[in-house]
Amino acid sequence: GEDVEQSLFLSVREGDSSVINCTYTDSSSTYLYWYKQEPGAGLQLLTYIFSNMDMKQDQRLTVLLNKKDKHLSLRIADTQTGDSAIYFCAESIKGGGNKLTFGTGTQLKVEL
Amino acid sequence: EAGVAQSPRYKIIEKRQSVAFWCNPISGHATLYWYQQILGQGPKLLIQFQNNGVVDDSQLPKDRFSAERLKGVDSTLKIQPAKLEDSAVYLCASSLAGKFMYEQYFGPGTRLTVT
Repeated sequence: GEDVEQSLFLSVREGDSSVINCTYTDSSSTYLYWYKQEPGAGLQLLTYIFSNMDMKQDQRLTVLLNKKDKHLSLRIADTQTGDSAIYFCAESIKGGGNKLTFGTGTQLKVEL
Repeated sequence: EAGVAQSPRYKIIEKRQSVAFWCNPISGHATLYWYQQILGQGPKLLIQFQNNGVVDDSQLPKDRFSAERLKGVDSTLKIQPAKLEDSAVYLCASSLAGKFMYEQYFGPGTRLTVT
């Protein structure tokens, strides 16, 4: 079945790196995504990784995928106050159309 | 390019009342989704349309929830009658097509409070 879990809260200092973790259970995941949600706003796609990849880098964002352990992480380098938000990982599975299953979300707080 | 529009942004109703939400997807997007996001949880897909046909409504509580997408553009989601546990943010999203890795673009959501 589909189940995606994340830790609830992360606090970092401005300029440090943030690492947000996610575990999933469905081995037939095709794409895994990271979304950002700011207060009162919809979800914004940050980045995604295809399930046959181990790593993807996009400017300050690095996604690592350990398919054996079904573990996904998002590293944000040089974290800024504007990065404060809730981050959701999500998966789509083979044969599931474009249906996304989201994790519970990790609230990132960036302190000065 | 205009984004996904939703209205109203906020709605407060009493239990057993009815409510309807409206969504206007990005122009040209064939696929439209309604998600329910309960406070402290991730969004959960309620229904997915491809043009004006339903692709997936397996998690839609059909005894009280209904949705339509007449003419394959705008969509409405209705709850009748509402229960306390329906308090949530209802998010609409759209994508060019319904296959994986067509990015879903989300609207700002409608926050529903049922008292």
